Amino acid sequence: DIVMTQSPDSLAVSLGERATINCKSSQTVLHNSNNKNYLAWYQQKPRQPPKVLIYWASTRESGVPDRFSGSGSETDFTLTISSLQAEDVAVYYCQQYFSSPYTFGQGTRLEI
Amino acid sequence: QVQLQESGPGLVKPSETLSLTCTVSGGSIRNYFWSWIRQPPGRGLEWIGYIHNSGSTNYNPSLKSRVTMSVDTSKNQFSLKLSSVTAADTAVYYCAREPATETPHHFDSWGQGTLVTVSS
Repeated sequence: DIVMTQSPDSLAVSLGERATINCKSSQTVLHNSNNKNYLAWYQQKPRQPPKVLIYWASTRESGVPDRFSGSGSETDFTLTISSLQAEDVAVYYCQQYFSSPYTFGQGTRLEI
Repeated sequence: QVQLQESGPGLVKPSETLSLTCTVSGGSIRNYFWSWIRQPPGRGLEWIGYIHNSGSTNYNPSLKSRVTMSVDTSKNQFSLKLSSVTAADTAVYYCAREPATETPHHFDSWGQGTLVTVSS
């Protein structure tokens, strides 16, 4: 199984400041055939299901504010929130869908 | 806009079988992969497996011996059975969709989740 490790486990950022969450995979998730990284980021608020923010490591889902961005390749990835808003308080997960079983990071709790 | 809704008992006794159904509305169940994902209280996400409308399945090896998934295209539903449950199976169970099938994808649509508690 590919192990996904996020850092930090929790993060406190001031409103309007930048938040950065890292995700490292135990194996590459870059598929040579299409040059795509099989990596997604999700946001989960209390008592809600996860919501996809980013897929293919850097493609923003429709309707997601452009303050959210994803970067990285192969085994190292980053989710950046450029200017933190109050509604961004949540737990964030990375997920690889490169190989089965699909696996998630342990989550990063983002607070103000 | 496709919507997913989980249904099933919220309480299951140890050693019995957990059974859940996901109803898909606002779109067809055909030509997608449909997954079950669970989240123990206060913890992270675990992918259980997926089923295609053709009936083909892919289960997480950690649960494979206890998992059975099925699909009913006439009802736009798919189901999960997890046998021999213990307290460790207590979790919120989500159903979710991969938006395409030509290659693995992220999960773009999720149900609201249903809490299943294993207790006597």
